[in-house]
Amino acid sequence: KAGVTQTPRYLIKTRGQQVTLSCSPISGHRSVSWYQQTPGQGLQFLFEYFSETQRNKGNFPGRFSGRQFSNSRSEMNVSTLELGDSALYLCASSLVITKLYGYTFGSGTRLTVV
Amino acid sequence: QQPVQSPQAVILREGEDAVINCSSSKALYSVHWYRQKHGEAPVFLMILLKGGEQKGHEKISASFNEKKQQSSLYLTASQLSYSGTYFCGTETQGGSEKLVFGKGTKLTVNP
Repeated sequence: KAGVTQTPRYLIKTRGQQVTLSCSPISGHRSVSWYQQTPGQGLQFLFEYFSETQRNKGNFPGRFSGRQFSNSRSEMNVSTLELGDSALYLCASSLVITKLYGYTFGSGTRLTVV
Repeated sequence: QQPVQSPQAVILREGEDAVINCSSSKALYSVHWYRQKHGEAPVFLMILLKGGEQKGHEKISASFNEKKQQSSLYLTASQLSYSGTYFCGTETQGGSEKLVFGKGTKLTVNP
């Protein structure tokens, strides 16, 4: 079966712009989480969606937002980009919100802000 | 609260053993372990639940010490394919709690 698909794979944006990243989970998976990965910081939790509702949110500024659609696809948006937003953004899906079967991660979107 | 992993990095020769630790200052419900190879997505290894048994398969196993709020990942007779960065993720409650990851442990296995 198809894995978690993230688009685009790479993005280069200018400070002040906004960006939208997309994630299509494994078919049947209803929970989608987003993480920011930077060298030395590991995976920083952004938010988690289940059945179109945001269930958890990390400690990121309001410039970071997301949503989930009825088909479980999810998008995250970053407005007013800053240089420090440069990172690999990973999306992870799970069958249910309890995560008992673990996450399946996508390959990520590499965002570079210049 | 981000769990703390140790060591930050370890270098082994093929066939040697390694232990990676993950500790939390909060009471834990579950601990997840993932491995990420360079340029690839993290891959789920196993989950340990509060009150559950030690888990493992082949030469990679893990334990969960509820009293210490600590989990350890054991890699025995390491193979070149074990190289990568290992992350532990923790939940402090069951159900819909968010999964918080540590900063990772980079494991390098040399011939």
